Amino acid sequence: QSALTQPASVSGSPGQSIAISCTGTNSDIGGFDYVSWYQQHPGQAPRLMISDVTNRPSGVSDRFSGSKSGNTASLTISGLQADDEADYYCCSYTRSSTWVFGGGTRLTVL
Amino acid sequence: QVQLVESGGGAVQPGGSLRLSCAASGFTFSYNAMHWVRQAPGKGLEWVAMIPHDGSYKYYTDSVRGRFTISRDNSKNTLYLQMDSLRVEDTATYYCAKDSTHWDCDYWGQGTLVTVSS
Repeated sequence: QSALTQPASVSGSPGQSIAISCTGTNSDIGGFDYVSWYQQHPGQAPRLMISDVTNRPSGVSDRFSGSKSGNTASLTISGLQADDEADYYCCSYTRSSTWVFGGGTRLTVL
Repeated sequence: QVQLVESGGGAVQPGGSLRLSCAASGFTFSYNAMHWVRQAPGKGLEWVAMIPHDGSYKYYTDSVRGRFTISRDNSKNTLYLQMDSLRVEDTATYYCAKDSTHWDCDYWGQGTLVTVSS
């Protein structure tokens, strides 16, 4: 199972919006609505930010939103804040009853 | 509150074995599937294995199938990962994670480091 494809890095200024893409195949992202997104600050465990493509768990800011079109999912962060600077990973359930992560995207807040 | 505490990591030579444990509290452990996810130093996340709430089946990523065994003891609220025939490329921080029932991981432990080196 190959990793999902994410850009290595994205950046934005405080207050701006950014989007992180995550591309898979018909066997994972395109085949199921089980796409999730995780935020990881250095030295910390990952934190679930988006579930089931678009759902925000309790406690996650509404500045974070998710979407999907075909084999590509996206995470959008609006109103960028300094604390949003972190690594972001997408993840999808697959047809093989396994899970696959993206390679991760480093978000830099300028 | 939900707590997941991993233990059992350490240094081992290639070909050796380790058993990781994950003690769960703050939720009804027997209701949720559980996952192991690992992260090599400076690298991204890699899903390793999943076990449903009742342990009735198990799924693994290709690179560990046949070498690692995920299991659980619902009477002890504990998840395990038996790792045999360890390789240098298994070096990573291993996280246990609770499945939210939506096939994602809503709570994570702080991880335990496994180092495979001669």
